[in-house]
Amino acid sequence: GENVEQHPSTLSVQEGDSAVIKCTYSDSASNYFPWYKQELGKGPQLIIDIRSNVGEKKDQRIAVTLNKTAKHFSLHITETQPEDSAVYFCAATSGAGGTSYGKLTFGQGTILTVHP
Amino acid sequence: ETGVTQTPRHLVMGMTNKKSLKCEQHLGHNAMYWYKQSAKKPLELMFVYNFKEQTENNSVPSRFSPECPNSSHLFLHLHTLQPEDSALYLCASSQEGTSGSRTGELFFGEGSRLTVL
Repeated sequence: GENVEQHPSTLSVQEGDSAVIKCTYSDSASNYFPWYKQELGKGPQLIIDIRSNVGEKKDQRIAVTLNKTAKHFSLHITETQPEDSAVYFCAATSGAGGTSYGKLTFGQGTILTVHP
Repeated sequence: ETGVTQTPRHLVMGMTNKKSLKCEQHLGHNAMYWYKQSAKKPLELMFVYNFKEQTENNSVPSRFSPECPNSSHLFLHLHTLQPEDSALYLCASSQEGTSGSRTGELFFGEGSRLTVL
């Protein structure tokens, strides 16, 4: 089955700096890679995702890059703000052949703290 | 509001009790999921329902029993649990089997925090 490794487990940055979180996956059939943000007391919420037919995707201050050859993908947050402080999870799934795209394998999570 | 509502938000139960967690989605999705979130562990998929049919049971012990009476409601029945079952149980839904960029996006509820004494 799929295995997703996420690093670092904790990340502390100053407001305005950039933050990068990296994930590797094992199943070469995986083709959908979402990133979720979980704030205290809430469920995870999708912030950006990428499918295997593209190498990079941006949404304002957030970007995700995918390297299918190396089987890794990364989340980049620029101009960080205190409200970006949360736990971030990467995930992967194949979502092919009738398998649900929602059947995700998650990374261990990264606790991001942005200091004012 | 994500459109996925879970009740109760907090539950404390003894090992001999029987209780149920409830999830309702208002998004018109056709797939629903139970995930388990334990401290210092990745989210673990427990059960998947597509069009009310269970399509995945990820080696979950029989003391957890899911029920999906319709595409909007999902239950997790709990009986004779162990202290190590204490965790946050997350329900999620998605729209599967259609084209478009939103296909497969998981919408999570806020979770039910379970403590087993």
